[in-house]
Amino acid sequence: GAGVSQSPRYKVAKRGQDVALRCDPISGHVSLFWYQQALGQGPEFLTYFQNEAQLDKSGLPSDRFFAERPEGSVSTLKIQRTQQEDSAVYLCASSFGSPASYEQYFGPGTRLTVT
Amino acid sequence: KQEVTQIPAALSVPEGENLVLNCSFTDSAIYNLQWFRQDPGKGLTSLLLIQSSQREQTSGRLNASLDKSSGRSTLYIAASQPGDSATYLCAVSTEKLVFGKGTKLTVNP
Repeated sequence: GAGVSQSPRYKVAKRGQDVALRCDPISGHVSLFWYQQALGQGPEFLTYFQNEAQLDKSGLPSDRFFAERPEGSVSTLKIQRTQQEDSAVYLCASSFGSPASYEQYFGPGTRLTVT
Repeated sequence: KQEVTQIPAALSVPEGENLVLNCSFTDSAIYNLQWFRQDPGKGLTSLLLIQSSQREQTSGRLNASLDKSSGRSTLYIAASQPGDSATYLCAVSTEKLVFGKGTKLTVNP
C-alpha cells in the first residue's frame, strides 16, 4: 500500500475488556515497530519485529500486552484486561530494512480510550 | 539509558521568520537521528534522517544538523509559514527510536 495503515482508528473499551489493534506495514518492509504515545508526550517504544521474529519486546509495560506478526507482514497488538492507564495512542511504524540504516514510516495511530 | 530533550517546549513566531529547534541526547552511540512532524490527532511524518556519520541534511526549507560527539541536533526552518504549525519531534535510533517530548510550533499569519 501507499503507507502504513492501522485499524481501528479509535477504540473505546471498558476496563477489563481485551482489545486487538492491527497494523498493515508498507509492502516489502521487513521491520515493524509499535510505540505508545500518551497525551503531551513523545512516543515510547513497545516492541520490534524483523519479519516474523520479535527481536525486542523490552518496552511492553506488562504481561497484559502481547504482539505478533505471524507471517512477517500484518501485526496485531493485543492488550488483555485493559486498564485506564492503557489509554493512549498506539503507533505502528515500518522500515525497509535495519533501523540502523533506514527511516521509520509511521501510521496514523489507534487512539485507545479505556473507560 | 538514552534520554532526549527538546527545547523549547513551545514556540510562537510571526510568519516569515527563520527559526531553530533544539534537540539533545545523552548517549552518543546512535545509528541515526530523525526529525518528525506531528499534526494534531495525526501520526508522525518523517522530515529528515541524518545518519551518525553525517553532519547535516537538507530538504526544501528545512535543514537539520547533527553533532554526535556533543549529543546535539538542530532543525532550522527558513521563512516559516502558517502551514508549518505542528509539533516537531526529534528521535535517536539504536534500532528502536527514543523520542523527545517535542516542540509545539505556532506560526502566526
